[in-house]
Amino acid sequence: SAVISQKPSRDICQRGTSLTIQCQVDSQVTMMFWYRQQPGQSLTLIATANQGSEATYESGFVIDKFPISRPNLTFSTLTVSNMSPEDSSIYLCSPRTLGETQYFGPGTRLLVL
Amino acid sequence: SQKIEQNSEALNIQEGKTATLTCNYTNYSPAYLQWYRQDPGRGPVFLLLIRENEKEKRKERLKVTFDTTLKQSLFHITASQPADSATYLCALGSPWQAGTALIFGKGTTLSVSS
Repeated sequence: SAVISQKPSRDICQRGTSLTIQCQVDSQVTMMFWYRQQPGQSLTLIATANQGSEATYESGFVIDKFPISRPNLTFSTLTVSNMSPEDSSIYLCSPRTLGETQYFGPGTRLLVL
Repeated sequence: SQKIEQNSEALNIQEGKTATLTCNYTNYSPAYLQWYRQDPGRGPVFLLLIRENEKEKRKERLKVTFDTTLKQSLFHITASQPADSATYLCALGSPWQAGTALIFGKGTTLSVSS
């Protein structure tokens, strides 16, 4: 299985600011999924990021709010822009592997005040 | 739209008993179903995968069943221990659509008391 790390592991931010979350994988992956998990809720897919092309966003998520970068096959970032308390969640990256199992990063716990 | 229901938000059992968690789905025909464990503030960790043509899968104290007619999966933990206390998520997937991410249920939080 892939070794996945995320930075920061947690953060407390003021509303109106932005936070960039980093995801590093120890192997090359073509596709990276970014999920959000709001308190007491399921994991919700935000977007799918391919290297060298723009990310594909799910319904309810837009690039201006959650810009994603994918500069190479082992790294991706997700920015949560102009944050509000409703953005308080755990954010998780998940590389798409050839197998059926999905592996997840440890998550970034975000609290917006 | 696709819907996954894990019919208990919380389940409390005594140590040594068998915990049974349920996952039901609608408007979907998954090629496989997976169960994950998630501890507070952490990402989900894969436990078991069962394919549509499999009825049952076991791994140590874990057992999963998959009934595509009922559109239901049951997840059993036998001889439960306090260390089994966590949230358990079921997820559906189809490998037939390239790049498809798993769809997750909300999870059931299991508490095992000693």
